[in-house]
Amino acid sequence: KAGVTQTPRYLIKTRGQQVTLSCSPISGHRSVSWYQQTPGQGLQFLFEYFSETQRNKGNFPGRFSGRQFSNSRSEMNVSTLELGDSALYLCASSYDGLNTEAFFGQGTRLTVV
Amino acid sequence: DAKTTQPTSMDCAEGRAANLPCNHSTISGNEYVYWYRQIHSQGPQYIIHGLKNNETNEMASLIITEDRKSSTLILPHATLRDTAVYYCIVRALESSSASKIIFGSGTRLSIRP
Repeated sequence: KAGVTQTPRYLIKTRGQQVTLSCSPISGHRSVSWYQQTPGQGLQFLFEYFSETQRNKGNFPGRFSGRQFSNSRSEMNVSTLELGDSALYLCASSYDGLNTEAFFGQGTRLTVV
Repeated sequence: DAKTTQPTSMDCAEGRAANLPCNHSTISGNEYVYWYRQIHSQGPQYIIHGLKNNETNEMASLIITEDRKSSTLILPHATLRDTAVYYCIVRALESSSASKIIFGSGTRLSIRP
């Protein structure tokens, strides 16, 4: 079956702009989590959505937000972009996020200039 | 903070077994040990997980000590394609925070020809 699909794969934005990233989970999976990966901080948890509701949240400012649709697809939005937001953004899907392994997408590489 | 400690880097000859150690001395009774790996610029890939018994699948074996304070991931016949960063993670399944995977720094495994 198809894996986790993230679009776009690469993105270049200017400081102050906003950006929306998309994640389509594996068919049947209802939990979608987002992670930010930078060379300095490593892989950090942003938030998790399950059944269209945010269930867990990491320690990121309110500029980072997300949502999940009824088909489990998820989007994350970053407003007022800063240079430090340049990172690989990864999405992970799992059946319920509670007792199964998570499968990651290839990520979206965001560069803020 | 990550609850695991791993060596920063290791290397192994191609065709030999790669043994990656992980310390998790503060692991709780309901926490599982998970291993993921991340090949350069790709999303993390699930390898294996276990609670207290040794586990084996087509990719690797997981050996957990009896006191559960440490574990070893074994790649039985390492190939060049196993070059990656390997993350050892503890997760409390069936909990509201199970989806929040806390990644540490991982072990950078290099396979030499």
